[in-house]
Order: sequence, then C-alpha cells, then structure tokens
Amino acid sequence: EAGVAQSPRYKIIEKRQSVAFWCNPISGHATLYWYQQILGQGPKLLIQFQNNGVVDDSQLPKDRFSAERLKGVDSTLKIQPAKLEDSAVYLCASSLRPGQPNYGYTFGSGTRLTVV
Amino acid sequence: AQSVTQLDSQVPVFEEAPVELRCNYSSSVSVYLFWYVQYPNQGLQLLLKYLSGSTLVKGINGFEAEFNKSQTSFHLRKPSVHISDTAEYFCAVMTGSYQLTFGKGTKLSVIP
Repeated sequence: EAGVAQSPRYKIIEKRQSVAFWCNPISGHATLYWYQQILGQGPKLLIQFQNNGVVDDSQLPKDRFSAERLKGVDSTLKIQPAKLEDSAVYLCASSLRPGQPNYGYTFGSGTRLTVV
Repeated sequence: AQSVTQLDSQVPVFEEAPVELRCNYSSSVSVYLFWYVQYPNQGLQLLLKYLSGSTLVKGINGFEAEFNKSQTSFHLRKPSVHISDTAEYFCAVMTGSYQLTFGKGTKLSVIP
C-alpha cells in the first residue's frame, strides 16, 4: 500500500512569511495527526483529526497555526506568520481507526522547515 | 499526564557488539509502549510495540524490548549491531486518547 505522502520535503522562508504543508494519508485511514519535531527533541503532537473533525488541538499555537482536513482525506497545516522558533520537521501520520493501538501509526517523511 | 524519559542522548557502540537503549515512562494507568527508528531525513518507522501479554517483545531488524511494570521501563536491546543500525531511536507511550508521546530520542552510532 502507498504510504503517507507529504509535500514539500523542504521549505525555507523568512520570518513573518506564511507557509503551508500538505499531507495525504493512507487510503481508508480515519485518523490523521500532525507532529512538530524540533532539532534534538522528540516529535510533539500539534493536532489530531478523526475523519474531518478535530479531536485535539490543545497544543496547536492557534494565533499562528491552522490546520484543516477537508472531506476527511487530505490535510493542510499552515503557519502565518512564521517565527524563527517554528524551524522544525513537520510530520504527518495516519492510523486506521481510533481505539486500535495494534494498528499503530504510519508516518510520512516529513517537511523540513527553516525560518531565517 | 504521561511522559517518557530516554536516559541517553547518544550511544556509540562498536559493530557486532550488543546495545541497550534505555527508556522509562511515567503513567498512572495502563499504557501501550512503542519504539520507533528514524533514519536521516526520513520519517519514523515502527520497530516494535507492547500492548499486553508477554513482557518480551520482538521487533524488526533483530531488536527486542522488555516491559518492566515495576520499574516502569521499556528498554530496547539488540545482541549484535550493524552499521546500518546507525539512526535515532524514539521511545513513545500511547495515551488513552490514542496519541503518542515521545521521548527526546537516542542517537545510536555504530563504529566500524
């Protein structure tokens, strides 16, 4: 089966600019996650979707970050305006359904954002 | 809230030697535990997971981990490492809302 697709792979922007990342999960996976991985740290959850609804966005900095999952499939994560501390790898992951830890997550390769 | 502590940020080891990467977690409830590997410029790949049952879990690439409830640990081991095992390894705990909380990672460097 095809994996989780993310684009772009790399992005360099200046601070105060805006940027958007795209994720296409595995077909049929109902749950989608966005994680932020800052250099030297483990991934941190930003937002969790179930189909096209938000399950948890408590760690999403809503003054500058937004995310949507239209039609319960693809998802976009946007940052506007970007700050230097937003430099990180943004990982998208999907899982078949909630309540099924046996299925685990499948991660995409991530988008590496550098804010200068 | 759950948390994960990976005790070593970097572990150098000679090729064909054994290795143990340490992980401790804190949780007041039953947990599911995972180890992921991340190669340079790639996403996270699942190595193994503990959900229930036998405390010794075997994963891919010859890795195994042992769940120790009394010590709240889930250490990862491999009896003989290869150059190709050079990567960063993340321990994670799954919460009741089926979200993963990760440790800060351990960089394994295999020395020829």
